[in-house]
Amino acid sequence: DIQMTQSPSSLSASVGDRVTITCRASQNIRKYLNWYQQKPGKAPKLLIYFASSLQSGVPSRFSGGGSGTDFTLTISSLQPEDFATYYCQQSHSMLGTWTFGQGTKVEIK
Amino acid sequence: EVQLVQSGAEVKKPGESVKISCKESGNTYNSHWIGWVRQMPGKGLELMGVIYLGDSDIRYSPSFQGQVTVSADKSAHTAYLQFSSLKASDSAMYFCARHSSETYNSFDIWGQGTLVIVSS
Repeated sequence: DIQMTQSPSSLSASVGDRVTITCRASQNIRKYLNWYQQKPGKAPKLLIYFASSLQSGVPSRFSGGGSGTDFTLTISSLQPEDFATYYCQQSHSMLGTWTFGQGTKVEIK
Repeated sequence: EVQLVQSGAEVKKPGESVKISCKESGNTYNSHWIGWVRQMPGKGLELMGVIYLGDSDIRYSPSFQGQVTVSADKSAHTAYLQFSSLKASDSAMYFCARHSSETYNSFDIWGQGTLVIVSS
C-alpha cells in the first residue's frame, strides 16, 4: 500500500491568510495526486488533480504543486467558505487501491 | 449535468444485510468506473473498491476484499454496495464517486452519501 501523510492535521487561520497543506507519499507517485475539500455533512469535492491542475469551477486562489513524494495545496487568501477539511489522494497505484491522506482540518482563528 | 444519486439512510441490526445504491444520471453515453468510499464517524476517507458500469469489472481494495460486495446494473446506470452480515463497526457514511480519466484518475463527481447505522 502507498501511505499518504498530511501535515498538519489541523490548523487555525484567519480570513485573508495564505495557507499551505503538505502531503507526503511513501513512494514515488509521479504527479498522480489529487486534492479534495469536504465540508461537514457534505460529500468531498475535487479541487486539484494531477498535482497541479485546477478542476473546472474551482477558484484560482487554490493551487497545487509537487511531484514524486512531496506535494502541497495552497490557498492564497483564505475565504470564509474555505473552512473545511482537505484530503490528498494518490491515484498512482492499481485501480481500486488508491489511498487518501488522513485529512487536514482548516479552522477559523 | 451528470449526477450520482444515492439511496437513503439505513438503520439495521447486527447480522442483517443491506444493499445501497448509486445511480448515475445526466450524460451517461459513456460508461465510467464508480468507486465506493467509506467514512467512519469523525474519520477520513477510505476507498473500498471500484466497479466499471460498462461490464461490471470490479477491483477491491485489499482492506475490503471479502467484507463487502460491489455490483452494478448497466442498463439502470446504477452501482451497488452490499453487506451480507452487518457489524456495529460498519456504521459509517458511504459515498459513491465517479472516476474520471480526463482528470488523471481522480473522483470528479460524488454522490450525496448514504448513512448506515448498525445498532442493536
